[in-house]
Amino acid sequence: AQSVTQLDSHVSVSEGTPVLLRCNYSSSYSPSLFWYVQHPNKGLQLLLKYTSAATLVKGINGFEAEFKKSETSFHLTKPSAHMSDAAEYFCVVSVSNSGYALNFGKGTSLLVTP
Amino acid sequence: ETGVTQSPTHLIKTRGQQVTLRCSSQSGHNTVSWYQQALGQGPQFIFQYYREEENGRGNFPPRFSGLQFPNYSSELNVNALELDDSALYLCASSSRGMGETQYFGPGTRLLVL
Repeated sequence: AQSVTQLDSHVSVSEGTPVLLRCNYSSSYSPSLFWYVQHPNKGLQLLLKYTSAATLVKGINGFEAEFKKSETSFHLTKPSAHMSDAAEYFCVVSVSNSGYALNFGKGTSLLVTP
Repeated sequence: ETGVTQSPTHLIKTRGQQVTLRCSSQSGHNTVSWYQQALGQGPQFIFQYYREEENGRGNFPPRFSGLQFPNYSSELNVNALELDDSALYLCASSSRGMGETQYFGPGTRLLVL
């Protein structure tokens, strides 16, 4: 079964410093992977997705992620954090045997300090 | 283009009652998925509807049921509510297929007392 593991439940960075949110996946074939963000009391917003095209995926708000098959990883990065980036981030894999349902990781809470 | 909408935004019920949540899908999408997000957790897949039929189901009991209508809007029904059903219920619409982006509504927050 396809699954993802987010390696950090909380990440704290200073404004203007790089962001790294780590995600490993498990899949018997090439997966479709996503990163979603959820701001407090808001719905889920798609940041970016990987669907077996380019391994480096660029998303909204300066985020990007690199699919590394050899490491089974799909880490999310941003060169410079902004205060508005503080939110919950979910790494997600599409599951083929449930109508392409999404299987979410447990989430990483990103704190950005001034 | 209208996004995914859900109603109501908040709901309070007592244990044993029944509840119906509603979702209008985004224009052009024929698939609706429902997720339950407990406090501090990631969303969990409940089920998915495609062309008015259930197309996949997560690990939820039969008292969680749903419908999809010809206009692709959907309902989630929960019978015999339990305290643990308290959660944010999210609806997502998409086109059907691997890798298709699911667009989420703002959710319905259900509190069971």
